[in-house]
Amino acid sequence: KNEVEQSPQNLTAQEGEFITINCSYSVGISALHWLQQHPGGGIVSLFMLSSGKKKHGRLIATINIQEKHSSLHITASHPRDSAVYICAAALGGGADGLTFGKGTHLIIQP
Amino acid sequence: KAGVTQTPRYLIKTRGQQVTLSCSPISGHRSVSWYQQTPGQGLQFLFEYFSETQRNKGNFPGRFSGRQFSNSRSEMNVSTLELGDSALYLCASSLLTSGGAETQYFGPGTRLLVL
Repeated sequence: KNEVEQSPQNLTAQEGEFITINCSYSVGISALHWLQQHPGGGIVSLFMLSSGKKKHGRLIATINIQEKHSSLHITASHPRDSAVYICAAALGGGADGLTFGKGTHLIIQP
Repeated sequence: KAGVTQTPRYLIKTRGQQVTLSCSPISGHRSVSWYQQTPGQGLQFLFEYFSETQRNKGNFPGRFSGRQFSNSRSEMNVSTLELGDSALYLCASSLLTSGGAETQYFGPGTRLLVL
């Protein structure tokens, strides 16, 4: 069983829809990252969270430490949001670097 | 500020050969982490370097090694290449070492194909 689980694996939605991607982890963490990867491989860090909620433009990330769960929300989705979204956790004290979820492949249709 | 750069961007090698990949972090960043991405295993942590010292290491065989220079540039080396080493190798830099508890800035990656 992966220590970091993401769902859904694939998501297709229409432009304008509200998108939620979920991430759960099995042990305590020091930080949780949300990353975006476009075709071609480049990865951009969207958020790093250790508690609460962060917002950047149409993107919102939340984390519930007690439930070991984080969500990434996209409001008013747009075709340019189509990408793979990956959550990654610094598990325990972070001695093992980041542990990654398998990613969510998001397609926003116009 | 220039981003993280990686060279080469693409590489083709044959089984048994060795390869060296290079990563130049963002100016002022002292930590460099390396990751391997494959379709089957996804992203996996290889190692992290800070101030020329390896701070953390993932679960990879000893064929995978790395180093960091005094200017924070880092190299990783894979010896005795196997077909399964074909992957996208990404490096990421951050200001300090933290085992992943700092925002990381990723390079474009080196795509390695082993034939």
